[in-house]
Amino acid sequence: NAGVTQTPKFRVLKTGQSMTLLCAQDMNHEYMYWYRQDPGMGLRLIHYSVGEGTTAKGEVPDGYNVSRLKKQNFLLGLESAAPSQTSVYFCASIKGTTYSSGANVLTFGAGSRLTVL
Amino acid sequence: EDKVVQSPLSLVVHEGDTVTLNCSYEVTNFRSLLWYKQEKKAPTFLFMLTSSGIEKKSGRLSSILDKKELSSILNITATQTGDSAIYLCAVEEGRTGNQFYFGTGTSLTVIP
Repeated sequence: NAGVTQTPKFRVLKTGQSMTLLCAQDMNHEYMYWYRQDPGMGLRLIHYSVGEGTTAKGEVPDGYNVSRLKKQNFLLGLESAAPSQTSVYFCASIKGTTYSSGANVLTFGAGSRLTVL
Repeated sequence: EDKVVQSPLSLVVHEGDTVTLNCSYEVTNFRSLLWYKQEKKAPTFLFMLTSSGIEKKSGRLSSILDKKELSSILNITATQTGDSAIYLCAVEEGRTGNQFYFGTGTSLTVIP
């Protein structure tokens, strides 16, 4: 049981290049999230998805796009990378079914370190 | 505005000391508060708190939620060097997407 898997783990891009980060989970979770983590800023939500075919913006969505074509996969795309997007990116998921009180614990991937030169 | 605020931002203690980490929050539809430990990789889950006044305990770590004060504390007794990490507090807001808001974390360093 792999949990949440992110690829790639490391990537160096030049300004203006594009790339896609892949997040895959094998826990049949409905909700998936993409966060970025920067020093002194904590984890900030970029985009999230509450199910296959649905996506929504989080706190810092500009410069990113996402897709959730299959329930188990959540892709984060950078169309034209900028140095400000240098960060560590984490994908996370929760089961997301209806519950009486908080019963969902975010499960994280190992992270993807992206450097934009 | 910051929805989740953690204090202190950093802490340096000696092995054997007891530490208390604080987390305060302000969300409109509170569902739960979670504590995570992060050691240079993915955050790992420690506790989830939903009810006020009920202490969660795991070994030397314990945590409690105060919904009246909109805050939580994480206690670590008899600290060890292996406790050195960033401790993250997150609050789950129960609206579409069950969004989780994170504090900036408390960086704990335990000196032998």
